[in-house]
Amino acid sequence: GEDVEQSLFLSVREGDSSVINCTYTDSSSTYLYWYKQEPGAGLQLLTYIFSNMDMKQDQRLTVLLNKKDKHLSLRIADTQTGDSAIYFCAETAGRRALTFGSGTRLQVQP
Amino acid sequence: ETGVTQSPTHLIKTRGQQVTLRCSSQSGHNTVSWYQQALGQGPQFIFQYYREEENGRGNFPPRFSGLQFPNYSSELNVNALELDDSALYLCASSPTGTRSYEQYFGPGTRLTVT
Repeated sequence: GEDVEQSLFLSVREGDSSVINCTYTDSSSTYLYWYKQEPGAGLQLLTYIFSNMDMKQDQRLTVLLNKKDKHLSLRIADTQTGDSAIYFCAETAGRRALTFGSGTRLQVQP
Repeated sequence: ETGVTQSPTHLIKTRGQQVTLRCSSQSGHNTVSWYQQALGQGPQFIFQYYREEENGRGNFPPRFSGLQFPNYSSELNVNALELDDSALYLCASSPTGTRSYEQYFGPGTRLTVT
């Protein structure tokens, strides 16, 4: 079945850039997403990319997609303490089930 | 425009009991999906409803069932609760048309089974 893998933890200093990585196995994935979850809260849709794109930029967020290697990354520029959260990568081949990774905990140190 | 809302926020049940969780979709959204998120893990897809019909199901037993109503609100029912059902239950709604691949999540219901 489909699988999405993420590293567990990332620590950066305030003002630095953060890069969160994700790999997936489903070659039929058409949409790939990044969600943010703060403690005790639901998931916030940050951004997404269609599989025929290589890059998408949205303010401080840059998504890079390497479809050949099935690798997705999220770069957060000028990381702030408010960016501390768990970040989930997800993919879908259609408009139904999202398959999520286990999440990467981002810790931003002042 | 209000976002996705869920009720209750927290719930404690005993093994073997039944539970109903509720979700109100974001205005203009006609598709709702339910996910189970165990502690320390990513959400797992339970099922999706579109126009009051089940539109896809994940690897969950039949004791997990759902309903979608004409106003696009939704319920998740779980019968014969087991300890492993303890989790955060999330619903997500999707808009119609070209943005139907977007899923917007509610805050979740934390279910504890003792």
